[in-house]
Amino acid sequence: DARVTQTPRDKVTEMGQEVTMRCQPILGHNTVFWYRQTMMQGLELLAYFRNRAPLDDSGMPKDRFSAEMPDATLATLKIQPSEPRDSAVYFCASGLGGQTYNEQFFGPGTRLTVL
Amino acid sequence: AQSVTQPDIHITVSEGASLELRCNYSYGATPYLFWYVQSPGQGLQLLLKYFSGDTLVQGIKGFEAEFKRSQSSFNLRKPSVHWSDAAEYFCAVLDQGGSEKLVFGKGTKLTVNP
Repeated sequence: DARVTQTPRDKVTEMGQEVTMRCQPILGHNTVFWYRQTMMQGLELLAYFRNRAPLDDSGMPKDRFSAEMPDATLATLKIQPSEPRDSAVYFCASGLGGQTYNEQFFGPGTRLTVL
Repeated sequence: AQSVTQPDIHITVSEGASLELRCNYSYGATPYLFWYVQSPGQGLQLLLKYFSGDTLVQGIKGFEAEFKRSQSSFNLRKPSVHWSDAAEYFCAVLDQGGSEKLVFGKGTKLTVNP
């Protein structure tokens, strides 16, 4: 059945290294969301795209984070350089946007640990 | 800005017992409200949603929720809990300020005792 996939599922890296997380949205979905989940802050929206164009990235630290959609089947979230405070689970979600509301389907997440 | 409060961080119930998870929201107009469930190591799955109409909403897995405007609440209920319901539950409100941003509560972790 159709589902959002994310890679890698787990990533351990050292402070200062570049981290790239990938998301494959459900085929046909035109909206992709990136969320971050931490114990302290809970689930926060970092950014989201519609038809590959960024609509809102106000939740994303601009100095080190970047999000792109090279094509309709791939969304990436990059952190450069990474810091220990970036340790979190990063979720991608996709949906059919542009209407009153459509369900967001979540991927399994990427657990990032920055040492 | 909208906010969601889930007062209970952790709840433990016995299998077969009834369940109610609390959610309070802060929003001026009629909110769009959601409950999601997250099993360990998994993403979030939508249980149910409320946009308008009947204030008692039925969802998947035998869950229901009731919207009470006077109390700014959207509590999740299940008459008889199964061991497989052990998970973390998130209440969310849709930001209707022009975006599709979901604002989540901090979550309630449910433990089910045999």
